[in-house]
Amino acid sequence: QVQLVQSGAEVKKPGASVKVSCRASGYTFTSYYMHWVRRAPGQGLEWMGIINPSGGSTSYAQKLQGRVTMTRDTSTSTVYMELSSLRSEDTAVYYCARSTSGWYGGPDYWGQGTLVTVSS
Amino acid sequence: QSVLTQPPSASGTPGQRVTISCSGSSSNIGNNYVYWYQQLPGTAPKLLIYRINQRPSGVPDRFSGSKSGTSASLAISGLRSEDEADYYCAAWDDSLSGWVFGGGTKLTVL
Repeated sequence: QVQLVQSGAEVKKPGASVKVSCRASGYTFTSYYMHWVRRAPGQGLEWMGIINPSGGSTSYAQKLQGRVTMTRDTSTSTVYMELSSLRSEDTAVYYCARSTSGWYGGPDYWGQGTLVTVSS
Repeated sequence: QSVLTQPPSASGTPGQRVTISCSGSSSNIGNNYVYWYQQLPGTAPKLLIYRINQRPSGVPDRFSGSKSGTSASLAISGLRSEDEADYYCAAWDDSLSGWVFGGGTKLTVL
């Protein structure tokens, strides 16, 4: 069965960076793009970007351009999302989610979420 | 302010039918597929509807999706207490070259 297992909760200071991992299993890793989505406290879901695990190409939300980097390691079927210059507004639960069909497919299977807290 | 507009709340009694709307534009809903997600408290979102009106295996047929022009709707019939959750619509946006979500609708089962 498809499983996406994310790394554990993080606490970071403003200005620092955070890197969240998402290990995939139960399907061919390179055959499905991966989304990253976050949900801040009291807010709705926000799309952050998407990565093609096969070639590594990415597309990021305009709001996060320059601060977010998505990478992958095909040897371990893991994708990573790194967010830099953290501010309090980045406090959120971060999710990886497999795409149903390339860039234009919405997420189907989701990871369990990783809480990132930004606080001085 | 979300690109896709949903009512912040909706409610119904057990057994009722409720509808949640999602309004967009020609750059998103008007020309692309719509997806719907259910998020129960403290859990990850779950795919309910994909490509406007398709249900993944395991999703009850009480849930249905539709689209008309630049708006989409999620209908839940035979409402149950376990349907109490946040619901989100999503679509690809051609102008933004990215995915957009609605602001979410909190469904309360009275």
